[in-house]
Amino acid sequence: DAGVTQSPTHLIKTRGQQVTLRCSPKSGHDTVSWYQQALGQGPQFIFQYYEEEERQRGNFPDRFSGHQFPNYSSELNVNALLLGDSALYLCASSSGYQPQHFGDGTRLSIL
Amino acid sequence: TQLLEQSPQFLSIQEGENLTVYCNSSSVFSSLQWYRQEPGEGPVLLVTVVTGGEVKKLKRLTFQFGDARKDSSLHITAAQPGDTGLYLCAAPSSNTGKLIFGQGTTLQVKP
Repeated sequence: DAGVTQSPTHLIKTRGQQVTLRCSPKSGHDTVSWYQQALGQGPQFIFQYYEEEERQRGNFPDRFSGHQFPNYSSELNVNALLLGDSALYLCASSSGYQPQHFGDGTRLSIL
Repeated sequence: TQLLEQSPQFLSIQEGENLTVYCNSSSVFSSLQWYRQEPGEGPVLLVTVVTGGEVKKLKRLTFQFGDARKDSSLHITAAQPGDTGLYLCAAPSSNTGKLIFGQGTTLQVKP
């Protein structure tokens, strides 16, 4: 039973570019949440998707957007990349009130 | 704003020593979770505590939820090098699926 899978594992971009990160939830999960984690810090909530709608959003600018597909997979898009966007981006999936399961993340580096 | 404060931020100890990590807040939470994260991986759930005063044990790890459900502690007995990692406490924000994380405690156990 595959857990949460994220792609790519690593990505290098330059300032001003746009990036798309992908997440496949654990089998049986219908909710996907995205987090940003700076090195040595705790994850910060970006947003959560359920039934293809953004259900809740954290304190992130509109440059951060997302999408959920009918098969529950999800994408995180970031436009106009800044140096400060360099971080580990984590996807977590869940169902109902069950605990969230995390993927291993995408390490995004902005040059 | 709901915040979780973890202490200490860094801990470097010798194999066999005991340690305690604290997670404090001024807010009351319905539950609290502890995760461990190793380099290059996503957070892995260790335990969820729900009831005020609850104590849960996982081998050499003991987790306690404060009576008022505002704080929690993680105690490790006879630490091993395999315990090395980033320990994170997290709690659901209100009645939503959003998880609030502490800033993490980086533990290094030297052989």
